[in-house]
Amino acid sequence: GAGVSQSPRYKVTKRGQDVALRCDPISGHVSLYWYRQALGQGPEFLTYFNYEAQQDKSGLPNDRFSAERPEGSISTLTIQRTEQRDSAMYRCASSLYTGSYEQYFGPGTRLTVT
Amino acid sequence: GQQLNQSPQSMFIQEGEDVSMNCTSSSIFNTWLWYKQDPGEGPVLLIALYKAGELTSNGRLTAQFGITRKDSFLNISASIPSDVGIYFCAGGSNYKLTFGKGTLLTVNP
Repeated sequence: GAGVSQSPRYKVTKRGQDVALRCDPISGHVSLYWYRQALGQGPEFLTYFNYEAQQDKSGLPNDRFSAERPEGSISTLTIQRTEQRDSAMYRCASSLYTGSYEQYFGPGTRLTVT
Repeated sequence: GQQLNQSPQSMFIQEGEDVSMNCTSSSIFNTWLWYKQDPGEGPVLLIALYKAGELTSNGRLTAQFGITRKDSFLNISASIPSDVGIYFCAGGSNYKLTFGKGTLLTVNP
């Protein structure tokens, strides 16, 4: 079946603009995770959902970052008033069960803030 | 944020050689996982380990969950060119994964 998909794959935006990154998890996967990966680093946790409920947002850097998953499927990560330090690869992952560590990653969205 | 100590940072080997890499942490994890990332792609799950002391194989890959729950290693036997990539360890706790910085593996044919 189809894997995790993310869109757009690349996003270039000017400082101060808002951006919305989309994640479509594997069909039937109940948990969805957002990570951010800087160059030369491993992914770092941002937030996760079980179904439509956001369970943990402790990794979101500040209140400019928010995420939602209103129908328990597709999720959107929104960054308001972008700054150059927000430039990174944003990765989404999903898992079949709640509490499963076997997370399957999408190809990511490369965000560049100019 | 916290990241695991993964070593070595990079390895250059000849095709057919065996490879070993490891990961350590100051914290205990409930689960250890190993992922491989190819250029332009997301990490792909290779092996998941659930019990301290567990040794698990997946083809030419073997991984172990350390007894202290603070470390894990991954071995790749008889390397082939398609093994090239970045290998990440990840520790699972509180429903989220904490990753190492990765080991870049280059295989010379």
